[in-house]
Amino acid sequence: GAGVSQSPSNKVTEKGKDVELRCDPISGHTALYWYRQSLGQGLEFLIYFQGNSAPDKSGLPSDRFSAERTGGSVSTLTIQRTQQEDSAVYLCASSLAGTGAYNEQFFGPGTRLTVL
Amino acid sequence: RKEVEQDPGPFNVPEGATVAFNCTYSNSASQSFFWYRQDCRKEPKLLMSVYSSGNEDGRFTAQLNRASQYISLLIRDSKLSDSATYLCVVNGGSGGYNKLIFGAGTRLAVHP
Repeated sequence: GAGVSQSPSNKVTEKGKDVELRCDPISGHTALYWYRQSLGQGLEFLIYFQGNSAPDKSGLPSDRFSAERTGGSVSTLTIQRTQQEDSAVYLCASSLAGTGAYNEQFFGPGTRLTVL
Repeated sequence: RKEVEQDPGPFNVPEGATVAFNCTYSNSASQSFFWYRQDCRKEPKLLMSVYSSGNEDGRFTAQLNRASQYISLLIRDSKLSDSATYLCVVNGGSGGYNKLIFGAGTRLAVHP
């Protein structure tokens, strides 16, 4: 079956521009997560969605970052006025449910964002 | 202090070797634990969950010591295909949901 998909796979932008990253979770998965991975670093949690609501936005690094999820499916992560330190791979994951200690999170291939 | 700490490696081992990775975590309230594998420029994939009693999956054995807040992964009879970065992962979510906290990973290189 289809896994988590993300688009674009690569995005190069100029400092100060806005970007939108898209995530299509596995069909039927109610929980969706955004992470980012900077060069040589571990994954950093950004935000969690259960359905369309986001109970935990604590990982968003600044108010330039926002995310939404509509129809309990597709999610977009928006970064406004991009900065060079935003350069990273942005990974989306989904799981069947958000609760349950051992629910596996399935990751998409990521969007590699480069801010010049 | 990072929430999840791992030796970054790299571990360079010959095929057939046994190799062990260690990880410590800081949040004593963490409820679930995992090892993920990440190949170069690929997304992480779940290798195995780590249960309190310890668990084994083929050549892979995971152990958890809650008192010491320590997790380990043992790989026996290493294969070339085991070369990857191994991520120690702890569920840091409160309020009953899953918020994965990742270590920076330990690189393993298996050579002929």
